[in-house]
Amino acid sequence: GAVVSQHPSRVICKSGTSVKIECRSLDFQATTMFWYRQFPKKSLMLMATSNEGSKATYEQGVEKDKFLINHASLTLSTLTVTSAHPEDSSFYICSARKFIGALQETQYFGPGTRLLVL
Amino acid sequence: QKEVEQNSGPLSVPEGAIASLNCTYSDRVSQSFFWYRQYSGKSPELIMSIYSNGDKEDGRFTAQLNKASQYVSLLIRDSQPSDSATYLCAVNGPTHGNNRLAFGKGNQVVVIP
Repeated sequence: GAVVSQHPSRVICKSGTSVKIECRSLDFQATTMFWYRQFPKKSLMLMATSNEGSKATYEQGVEKDKFLINHASLTLSTLTVTSAHPEDSSFYICSARKFIGALQETQYFGPGTRLLVL
Repeated sequence: QKEVEQNSGPLSVPEGAIASLNCTYSDRVSQSFFWYRQYSGKSPELIMSIYSNGDKEDGRFTAQLNKASQYVSLLIRDSQPSDSATYLCAVNGPTHGNNRLAFGKGNQVVVIP
């Protein structure tokens, strides 16, 4: 397998503050990483695709100015939740794409970051 | 039609039995197929990936892919209580923008001791 880490694993912040979540691929390089959000007992929801060296691609309905994504290196993508509100409280999970062969790839998930906005 | 469908409701199996999960997908040119396991409150964990038709075995898990019929299945042999989780089928291919995964809604499996 492959290892993807996320930091922090859990964060509590006050409404109006910004929170940065890091996603790292520890043993492979990932030109593409993905950010998901998951509410309790709900399906994973893709928020955006993070591309190394270029702008992220956001899914419909996801505010790019609120969820800032920076993919500065082949092993690190960050998601910053700006001016957080209680409704942003959720489980944020990243995944990193790893190529196995010319047409084969796999995605590995990080352990997730649980955000609580008070 | 949804991209990836997992239609079965919660699956309860006695310990030691075989759990069988099915998944169908709509995009004929899909190339990569995955099964993830997600425990409650945790992130998904990759348990199987399959890329060509046929069976692929890894320990107690067997994935089966039939591209002509557009389905992929997962068998869990000798089910254990620790297998109790939600299993997500995911599909990837060139028509999925930026090669993102399309997920099914998941199947909850409960292994009864």
